[in-house]
Order: sequence, then C-alpha cells, then structure tokens
Amino acid sequence: KAGVTQTPRYLIKTRGQQVTLSCSPISGHRSVSWYQQTPGQGLQFLFEYFSETQRNKGNFPGRFSGRQFSNSRSEMNVSTLELGDSALYLCASRDLGQGNTEAFFGQGTRLTVV
Amino acid sequence: AQSVTQPDIHITVSEGASLELRCNYSYGATPYLFWYVQSPGQGLQLLLKYFSGDTLVQGIKGFEAEFKRSQSSFNLRKPSVHWSDAAEYFCAVGRAGGGNKLTFGTGTQLKVEL
Repeated sequence: KAGVTQTPRYLIKTRGQQVTLSCSPISGHRSVSWYQQTPGQGLQFLFEYFSETQRNKGNFPGRFSGRQFSNSRSEMNVSTLELGDSALYLCASRDLGQGNTEAFFGQGTRLTVV
Repeated sequence: AQSVTQPDIHITVSEGASLELRCNYSYGATPYLFWYVQSPGQGLQLLLKYFSGDTLVQGIKGFEAEFKRSQSSFNLRKPSVHWSDAAEYFCAVGRAGGGNKLTFGTGTQLKVEL
C-alpha cells in the first residue's frame, strides 16, 4: 500500500496570499488529521475529518480551514498568510474501522511565508 | 485537557549505550500512547503504540516502552543505541474510543556520539 502522500513538499508564499495543501491518505483510511509543526510551538493539532465531516478542531484562527472529499483526500487552506504560518504541515490518516489503530503520517509540506 | 511532557529536550549518548527517553502524560480517560520518530525535514514514523493489555510493548528498530499508569509515564527504551537512531523523538497521547487527534510532547532530540 502506498503511504500518506502530501503535495507539494515545499512551498514559498508571500504574506497576504492564500495557500492550499493536499493530502491523500492510505487507501481505505477515512480519517485524516492535520498538524502544524513549528520550532516554537511544536506539533499542534489543526483539525480532523472523517467521511467528509469535520470531527474535531484545534485552537487555530478561522484563516485555517479544511475539507475532505468523497475519496477521503483532504485539503487544508490558509488564507491571508502571516509570517508565523511558516511551518511544516503534516497530514495523518487512520483506519478507524479496524478498532484500535495508529495514525500514519505523510512527509509533510514545508510552507515558508516571506 | 490532555497533555504530554517530555522533560529532556536534548540527550546525548554514545553508540552502544542504553537509552531511556522519558514521557509523562496527563489524561482524564484511558489513554492511547505512542512514540514517533522524526528525521530532519521528514514526517513522523511510528515506533510503537500502547492501547491496552501488556504494559511492556515492543516496537520497531529494537525499541520498547513501558506503560506505568501509577506514574502516568510511558518511557521509551533501547538497550544499545546505533548511530542511525539520532533523530527527534515524540511521545503522543490519543483518545480511546476513536478519533484521530493526538497531543504531542515537545520532543527529545537524540544525538549519538561515535
């Protein structure tokens, strides 16, 4: 099985722009979560989607949004980018239909805001 | 609210020496516990997980961890460290019963001296 795929791997944007990141989960996994990783704040949960519905949301401003499609692929969008949004954004998928399971992470998208 | 504490930010060990990375968690319900490893610029790879049952769990790459409910700890151990183990290690707690939200510790950076 292919792993979690995140695209693009690297991105440079200017303050005020918006950006969309993509995540393709492992085949059969319907739960997708997003995390932001920065040197100062560490790994922080952004949101979780399951079957196209947002199930959980972290403590981030409304500029951060996401969605999930019927094929379980997910996108997250950040509008009006700020310098502090520079981070590694990680996506994780999980097969919640198989009892206790772990989350599998993608390689991440490195976003740099200049 | 759940939280994870990794008291050691940096640890340096000699190759061949034993290793123990500490993790303490705070969680109001039955926790799911994980250890992940991250190499520079990469995603997170699962080392091991605890859901229930035997409190000593074995993982990949010769790692093991012991769940101690009375101490709210889930320390990671390896009897003999290899130079390739140099990386950042994250302890995480999740919610039993579903959901894909993980709360991570701040990480421990492991350096291995040859």
